[in-house]
Amino acid sequence: AQTVTQSQPEMSVQEAETVTLSCTYDTSESDYYLFWYKQPPSRQMILVIRQEAYKQQNATENRFSVNFQKAAKSFSLKISDSQLGDAAMYFCAYRSPSGGSNYKLTFGKGTLLTVNP
Amino acid sequence: NAGVTQTPKFRILKIGQSMTLQCTQDMNHNYMYWYRQDPGMGLKLIYYSVGAGITDKGEVPNGYNVSRSTTEDFPLRLELAAPSQTSVYFCASSYSSGNTIYFGEGSWLTVV
Repeated sequence: AQTVTQSQPEMSVQEAETVTLSCTYDTSESDYYLFWYKQPPSRQMILVIRQEAYKQQNATENRFSVNFQKAAKSFSLKISDSQLGDAAMYFCAYRSPSGGSNYKLTFGKGTLLTVNP
Repeated sequence: NAGVTQTPKFRILKIGQSMTLQCTQDMNHNYMYWYRQDPGMGLKLIYYSVGAGITDKGEVPNGYNVSRSTTEDFPLRLELAAPSQTSVYFCASSYSSGNTIYFGEGSWLTVV
């Protein structure tokens, strides 16, 4: 079974600075999908960024980018020019493309990001 | 752009009561899911469906039932509510197994 580990329960960053959130995962599959979701205090789950394992190029979405290291099974999220609205719980998630219950997302326990003005 | 819509947003149940959480999506997605999120934890899959008429258990199905009579709707039934079912429930959908999963806004359920 796949597992996702987020080793940083909490992180803080100064407004306008850069912060990196860590995520590692364990899988025996060669093809899979990785996601970062943001959960603000409203508890809504908002997709931040997605990475397909077969793509070598790291995904980017505006101020958000990932460092995907397939061999190391590492998938970190970098937030540049941090804004107050970035404050939230961030979840790393893994998804297998194969069938059965592997359709599900496997989540890490989350990293709570605080942005200081 | 409605996306995934869940109702109710908040509900307090007494132990032993039953209720249904409603979920509907307007994106013509084949795959739908129910997750629960306990305090300080990530989400865990309760049930999922790959199409109308097809449902299957996830990681934590005990105490719940689902049905999928249409592509749009995927209600979650709680029978004989227990305090352990106090949680935030998320309905989600995706077009296929490889596509991004989109979440509803969550339903806060408290069982007292």
